[in-house]
Amino acid sequence: EPEVTQTPSHQVTQMGQEVILRCVPISNHLYFYWYRQILGQKVEFLVSFYNNEISEKSEIFDDQFSVERPDGSNFTLKIRSTKLEDSAMYFCASSEDGDFTDTQYFGPGTRLTVL
Amino acid sequence: AQKITQTQPGMFVQEKEAVTLDCTYDTSDPSYGLFWYKQPSSGEMIFLIYQGSYDQQNATEGRYSLNFQKARKSANLVISASQLGDSAMYFCAMREVSEGAQKLVFGQGTRLTINP
Repeated sequence: EPEVTQTPSHQVTQMGQEVILRCVPISNHLYFYWYRQILGQKVEFLVSFYNNEISEKSEIFDDQFSVERPDGSNFTLKIRSTKLEDSAMYFCASSEDGDFTDTQYFGPGTRLTVL
Repeated sequence: AQKITQTQPGMFVQEKEAVTLDCTYDTSDPSYGLFWYKQPSSGEMIFLIYQGSYDQQNATEGRYSLNFQKARKSANLVISASQLGDSAMYFCAMREVSEGAQKLVFGQGTRLTINP
């Protein structure tokens, strides 16, 4: 069964450093998403991406964040200058289309720890 | 106001019993989808079941069913014949057309523990 994959599973970085989180969405899916989950809290939407551009973003997704689809398979989230409060689990998800009926399938997550 | 409310922070159930996890939602949009996800201790988010606002029948997927009461704006997850492997966090989530239909909005989750 096709699945979303994410690398690395765990990333430790120093405050102020740049990190890139990588995702490979399900191959026939057209919409891609990033969510984050701070430890013990609910999952929060960051951004959605379609046709090589951002289609929706939350207020969390400020100028420190960017997303990119550098090739036909990868989807990345970059945090330019990490802060302590960026420590969280980051989930990539994908769906076939962007309709409200369509299921988003999540990857296993990358746990980001900012020291 | 919270879009998705899960009022049970934790639940403890005996193995083989059925369990109902509560979810209420808040929307004025006639077009929306409701989703349940399971998050085991390993951390991944596993899709369980979906219910659309226009669906006439309650959704079922194996041991999972959704008790959808549109007028009450509730979408409770029912797990029949619970198993030890059902111990996990369970999240209810919603997508609305009026909000662009892109994002899932999640509730705070319910931690379910199945006792042998």
